[in-house]
Amino acid sequence: QQPVQSPQAVILREGEDAVINCSSSKALYSVHWYRQKHGEAPVFLMILLKGGEQKGHDKISASFNEKKQQSSLYLTASQLSYSGTYFCGTGNDMRFGAGTRLTVKP
Amino acid sequence: NAGVTQTPKFQVLKTGQSMTLQCAQDMNHEYMSWYRQDPGMGLRLIHYSVGAGITDQGEVPNGYNVSRSTTEDFPLRLLSAAPSQTSVYFCASSSGYDQPQHFGDGTRLSIL
Repeated sequence: QQPVQSPQAVILREGEDAVINCSSSKALYSVHWYRQKHGEAPVFLMILLKGGEQKGHDKISASFNEKKQQSSLYLTASQLSYSGTYFCGTGNDMRFGAGTRLTVKP
Repeated sequence: NAGVTQTPKFQVLKTGQSMTLQCAQDMNHEYMSWYRQDPGMGLRLIHYSVGAGITDQGEVPNGYNVSRSTTEDFPLRLLSAAPSQTSVYFCASSSGYDQPQHFGDGTRLSIL
């Protein structure tokens, strides 16, 4: 079963913050986050494992709540380079959500 | 440092033709997967493999076959191409389900 992402799209100005959510109807043991630029392959951002941990990657961080079966990706003080589509992936067979298209404008 | 290599990068087929999309990785990864991505859409899992000789179906397996005779290679076969299979196909590999997926650059396939 695919995870569900929200929102579908976000438009920001440089310097603004955004949150992307990922939830599953199945028990989660890990959540992956990837970013895809237009015309390119997805690129790995981070993995969160069971335990409610929070990770960071530059000004991008994420949390994972396995009890609620959800993860959130936090983009702080967004930069133009953050534009792209963000995907979460879950499960041993790695199924991805439909994606969140993030556009950062000057 | 090749990573995941997909060939061809572009292909145009006629309805009913068959072809094989190639995927090779040089990282000794056990896990390999095929995804398709339609315009403006997410990644949908076609087939995956957790090791040589082991394959399983994903969300959208119909019309596709796979085999995994070696750790390095995971080819995807289209048996009888249909216009609905026009898409970008990505191959990915990882050393485990809790490890990063490494994606190839994709194969852009058009079926007329």
